Amino acid sequence: QKEVEQNSGPLSVPEGAIASLNCTYSDRGSQSFFWYRQYSGKSPELIMFIYSNGDKEDGRFTAQLNKASQYVSLLIRDSQPSDSATYLCAVYSGGGADGLTFGKGTHLIIQP
Amino acid sequence: GAVVSQHPSRVICKSGTSVKIECRSLDFQATTMFWYRQFPKKSLMLMATSNEGSKATYEQGVEKDKFLINHASLTLSTLTVTSAHPEDSSFYICSGILSGPYNEQFFGPGTRLTVL
Repeated sequence: QKEVEQNSGPLSVPEGAIASLNCTYSDRGSQSFFWYRQYSGKSPELIMFIYSNGDKEDGRFTAQLNKASQYVSLLIRDSQPSDSATYLCAVYSGGGADGLTFGKGTHLIIQP
Repeated sequence: GAVVSQHPSRVICKSGTSVKIECRSLDFQATTMFWYRQFPKKSLMLMATSNEGSKATYEQGVEKDKFLINHASLTLSTLTVTSAHPEDSSFYICSGILSGPYNEQFFGPGTRLTVL
């Protein structure tokens, strides 16, 4: 069974610091990895995806992938209070019409 | 990113009535759409996978006769909650897959259902 694990938190980070969110997955054949942000009462919003080992940067966000360790992370630089949300890690393992396997999310709190 | 819309965004109904929720992919064709339910402060729960032109695939524990899904076109899937009861009150979210090398999944804004 495909599993995606995240620490539920809450993870509390001071404003301006780097927030580091981690995720591990069980299916070694997984192909694409996604990070979603979900504000309370809203639907998830895709922030980034990564499919190759290494780092991928987009503005203040950096996704990191290590397939050997089955580990993916999201770094948020210069954290802002508006970054406070639940961050969902999701993994695509192929299969055409198959969807993503989601983790339960990490609740991030940026302290002003 | 691709855009998915849902309608209505919020609905309040009486117990025993049926409610239809529409999910549309606005700028892409979604052969596959997904329906999720989320209770307050809980994780997303996948209810069913909706494939255009075929029957939906329901997750274990989800009653297919209660949650009717129709995916009649590449841009529209509907979820009908039949004979709704207060315990069906929840946040219902659909998503569509942008077919391609990465299969990104984009979510609609969600529909908040309250059954009185």
